Amino acid sequence: DQQVKQNSPSLSVQEGRISILNCDYTNSMFDYFLWYKKYPAEGPTFLISISSIKDKNEDGRFTVFLNKSAKHLSLHIVPSQPGDSAVYFCAAKRGSSQGGSEKLVFGKGTKLTVNP
Amino acid sequence: DAGVIQSPRHEVTEMGQEVTLRCKPISGHNSLFWYRQTMMRGLELLIYFNNNVPIDDSGMPEDRFSAKMPNASFSTLKIQPSEPRDSAVYFCASSLLENTEAFFGQGTRLTVV
Repeated sequence: DQQVKQNSPSLSVQEGRISILNCDYTNSMFDYFLWYKKYPAEGPTFLISISSIKDKNEDGRFTVFLNKSAKHLSLHIVPSQPGDSAVYFCAAKRGSSQGGSEKLVFGKGTKLTVNP
Repeated sequence: DAGVIQSPRHEVTEMGQEVTLRCKPISGHNSLFWYRQTMMRGLELLIYFNNNVPIDDSGMPEDRFSAKMPNASFSTLKIQPSEPRDSAVYFCASSLLENTEAFFGQGTRLTVV
């Protein structure tokens, strides 16, 4: 049972355009969401996060949007650059105050290719 | 800080052999996670520790897998005996207990032939 789903295994965009990566989750107890970026032969690196009390968080070219009612979040990259080409993982976790674990549950990833 | 350090980076072993993967978390972090990445299942959590105590090992696939954290600066993941289906990239990550991100090591690519 996949609690975090990234339904698009790959996405290709032109340099300078917007990249939109989507993620859906099923567990309503999740209250913290993260995006990780992974280059080949490296470990995932943290990119941006959002708490469930917010619906938007922005950091430079990266913005994460959260729609709790739809259990959906998305990562927007604008403008996209060739160096953004990587696999992007969506992850979610429950806060420890709820008695749940602090483990991160990951989606399967979306491979983004930004063409020059 | 050097980040999360994993060793070895690559391991090739024969079926039936024991394999030990090692991890040194970031100093001061009190949570440690072991993940496995495969094409079919993506990144799946195997086990995690808080303050050196195993909290959730429900992701450990079989009794052939075991993990230990004898102190705050070291953890091992052992597979005995190894099988070809164990071939994957194994990641270790660490974080603070508070609601913050986890930092990953570079992974160990395990190939069991």
